[in-house]
Amino acid sequence: GAVVSQHPSRVICKSGTSVKIECRSLDFQATTMFWYRQFPKKSLMLMATSNEGSKATYEQGVEKDKFLINHASLTLSTLTVTSAHPEDSSFYICSARDRATGVSNQPQHFGDGTRLSIL
Amino acid sequence: KQEVTQIPAALSVPEGENLVLNCSFTDSAIYNLQWFRQDPGKGLTSLLLIQSSQREQTSGRLNASLDKSSGRSTLYIAASQPGDSATYLCAVGVGANNLFFGTGTRLTVIP
Repeated sequence: GAVVSQHPSRVICKSGTSVKIECRSLDFQATTMFWYRQFPKKSLMLMATSNEGSKATYEQGVEKDKFLINHASLTLSTLTVTSAHPEDSSFYICSARDRATGVSNQPQHFGDGTRLSIL
Repeated sequence: KQEVTQIPAALSVPEGENLVLNCSFTDSAIYNLQWFRQDPGKGLTSLLLIQSSQREQTSGRLNASLDKSSGRSTLYIAASQPGDSATYLCAVGVGANNLFFGTGTRLTVIP
């Protein structure tokens, strides 16, 4: 149980392109999903918290107009990297917390990540 | 601000050996601590979750301990296998949603 599907797994595109990444909870509902970014040999850094039906909460230093987050349903959050540039190349991972547990000390379930490469 | 450190950054051991991975954190006010496994180019697989009120958790050949007062956790892997080769991340749960990750220990188990 508690499967999170992330799509696509890899994207290669030209500079200036906008890229959408989807994060789906397959067998549970998630009012809260999280988007992380991971640079090579570095740790995961939280970018934003996605809340179903409301605006995302962005971490300090993350441009909300650059990284658009939409959480329109209890099973889907999307991250759109707008006008992507080479410096946006990274590994993006989403996670979700089961709505049924609801408490903050329960684990987040992670997707398999998206490798974004901007040429 | 919470800082999470993992030592060593990389570790190579022969198959069958028992090993310990270390994680330390600077702020003891945590909700929980979680150990993950990450294979190259892949997402995270949760291994063990220790709540702040617990001292350890066990799953198969894995045992994780938590000493909140000293800001330390260890992940013990018994009888290591080549399939255990991966990067192991610890993450500290702070506040409602925040997970602070360490930079990981890259483990190689040599057949």
